[in-house]
Amino acid sequence: NAGVTQTPKFRVLKTGQSMTLLCAQDMNHEYMYWYRQDPGMGLRLIHYSVGEGTTAKGEVPDGYNVSRLKKQNFLLGLESAAPSQTSVYFCASSSEREGGDEQYFGPGTRLTVT
Amino acid sequence: SQQGEEDPQALSIQEGENATMNCSYKTSINNLQWYRQNSGRGLVHLILIRSNEREKHSGRLRVTLDTSKKSSSLLITASRAADTASYFCATDPYDYKLSFGAGTTVTVRA
Repeated sequence: NAGVTQTPKFRVLKTGQSMTLLCAQDMNHEYMYWYRQDPGMGLRLIHYSVGEGTTAKGEVPDGYNVSRLKKQNFLLGLESAAPSQTSVYFCASSSEREGGDEQYFGPGTRLTVT
Repeated sequence: SQQGEEDPQALSIQEGENATMNCSYKTSINNLQWYRQNSGRGLVHLILIRSNEREKHSGRLRVTLDTSKKSSSLLITASRAADTASYFCATDPYDYKLSFGAGTTVTVRA
């Protein structure tokens, strides 16, 4: 099993450009998440999904959109990139076990917006 | 907002020593989880402790949870160079959305 994979690993964008980050998981998990991590800070939740076809806003959703057309994939889009979106982006997935469950993380995408 | 707050922010210890870090949080939780992040890598799950549990062990890791004080601690015994990493606590307030603290950076000196 590959677990959680993210594409691409690195990307440099100019202000105003758009891009899509792809997250894929092969564990048949219902829940998927997108986080960003900035220096000296923990992870902040951008958007999440509790099942195929559903999405919801997290703590810092502005400037991002997401889609979950297939259960195994969760896409994060930046329509018009800004320097404030320079960050490391992590995708994660988890099962819907009652009482909560651990999250499995991808390796991250390092995004720089100039 | 980050619900969990780790203390200390950074910790430097000699190989073989124990490392203890604490996490405090504000609201009721379903469970509390600890994760490790090596430099430049994704987070790896270490332990999940549920709100009705007080202590949990996994290898050289020991986690305690005190819901009355809204705090948790992570103890790493007999530390190794490979334990050098950042450690994060994350709280699940009954909605499967984890709230992460800023982390404790642990350096193990040979």
